[in-house]
Amino acid sequence: AQKVTQAQTEISVVEKEDVTLDCVYETRDTTYYLFWYKQPPSGELVFLIRRNSFDEQNEISGRYSWNFQKSTSSFNFTITASQVVDSAVYFCALSTTSGTYKYIFGTGTRLKVLA
Amino acid sequence: EAQVTQNPRYLITVTGKKLTVTCSQNMNHEYMSWYRQDPGLGLRQIYYSMNVEVTDKGDVPEGYKVSRKEKRNFPLILESPSPNQTSLYFCASSPNRNLNTEAFFGQGTRLTVV
Repeated sequence: AQKVTQAQTEISVVEKEDVTLDCVYETRDTTYYLFWYKQPPSGELVFLIRRNSFDEQNEISGRYSWNFQKSTSSFNFTITASQVVDSAVYFCALSTTSGTYKYIFGTGTRLKVLA
Repeated sequence: EAQVTQNPRYLITVTGKKLTVTCSQNMNHEYMSWYRQDPGLGLRQIYYSMNVEVTDKGDVPEGYKVSRKEKRNFPLILESPSPNQTSLYFCASSPNRNLNTEAFFGQGTRLTVV
């Protein structure tokens, strides 16, 4: 079975705090892709990052960083020095080449950054 | 500009009144799909299409129909909407069936069935 688990339903932090959003995935495929999307209050889905299963390098983009660990099947997302504009729902997603033909989404984590 | 366009953005309708949500992409993508988003459930796939005239059911297809007569368009049809279809709907496209790139999403359609 293929599955994405985001155990944190909602997180509240004070502005400038660091926050990590957890994502755990399940798949038996050796080739797969992981994604993070942001959904601000306006409702659209904004693509943040894609990572393939053969690339375990961590990535940093400004205040955002991602930690991909195959050993624990995790793809966690950290926001450093959070800002109010980071308040959104964040989704982790998985796709594979095994013929499921869909992006498998977690249930999302709602992040509230308080001023 | 490369985009996926959904219409309408918001819709309130009554039970049983047929409706269509349109989706169009201008990126020549082969793969298109519909998802619904419900609180606590994330996004769930309704239907997908790997190319023109090729469609298949996703995880929650009951009560929905789709068609893919042209590569760019993938409308979602609710023949007889019911209140449990009240949801936020997203159309998505991807270059091919391998899904090895991110999905490109439309702006979403918030549907309320009363």
